[in-house]
Amino acid sequence: GAVVSQHPSRVICKSGTSVKIECRSLDFQATTMFWYRQFPKQSLMLMATSNEGSKATYEQGVEKDKFLINHASLTLSTLTVTSAHPEDSSFYICSAGQGARSPLHFGNGTRLTVT
Amino acid sequence: KQEVTQIPAALSVPEGENLVLNCSFTDSAIYNLQWFRQDPGKGLTSLLLIQSSQREQTSGRLNASLDKSSGRSTLYIAASQPGDSATYLCAVTHGSSNTGKLIFGQGTTLQVKP
Repeated sequence: GAVVSQHPSRVICKSGTSVKIECRSLDFQATTMFWYRQFPKQSLMLMATSNEGSKATYEQGVEKDKFLINHASLTLSTLTVTSAHPEDSSFYICSAGQGARSPLHFGNGTRLTVT
Repeated sequence: KQEVTQIPAALSVPEGENLVLNCSFTDSAIYNLQWFRQDPGKGLTSLLLIQSSQREQTSGRLNASLDKSSGRSTLYIAASQPGDSATYLCAVTHGSSNTGKLIFGQGTTLQVKP
């Protein structure tokens, strides 16, 4: 079945540094991928829609200059958290779908801890 | 604004019981509804996808229903097993097309005791 791979699964970084998270669709092409964030004991909140070959679309309240998204190919989207702060510590998950009537597939998530 | 609510927030049952998880949404204009399973610290596994024109979907011991007009969906788990212990999330795609943007409920954390 369709698989979405996310890397790394866990990262710890110091405040002020940048962290890149990769999301890959392993056996299908995805023109669109989605990035979600999940704080402890809360549900997933959509951050942005990643569009292959064009700019990402950000949800209200998400800083596009802080969360840089690049979707350079049909199988890879990256999320870079720039100048990370402790309040950015969260679980980041990406998703991708194969078509209009197919379920979305999620990566295993990345646990980011900023110290 | 579309809001998704799941009740109960947590549920503990003995092994073998049948159980129902509830999901409600405030705006009936949805494209589809999806149930997911999330294990602690892990990503999401899609369980069932119901299109807005459908009433239910079944997969093994799982059955999901959708009543769009009343804004409700249920996930029925038959003969529960300890391996079913996880958080179950309900999510809707709001609107008339598959934008891929999901609005999630808070989830129901299920514990099935041996």
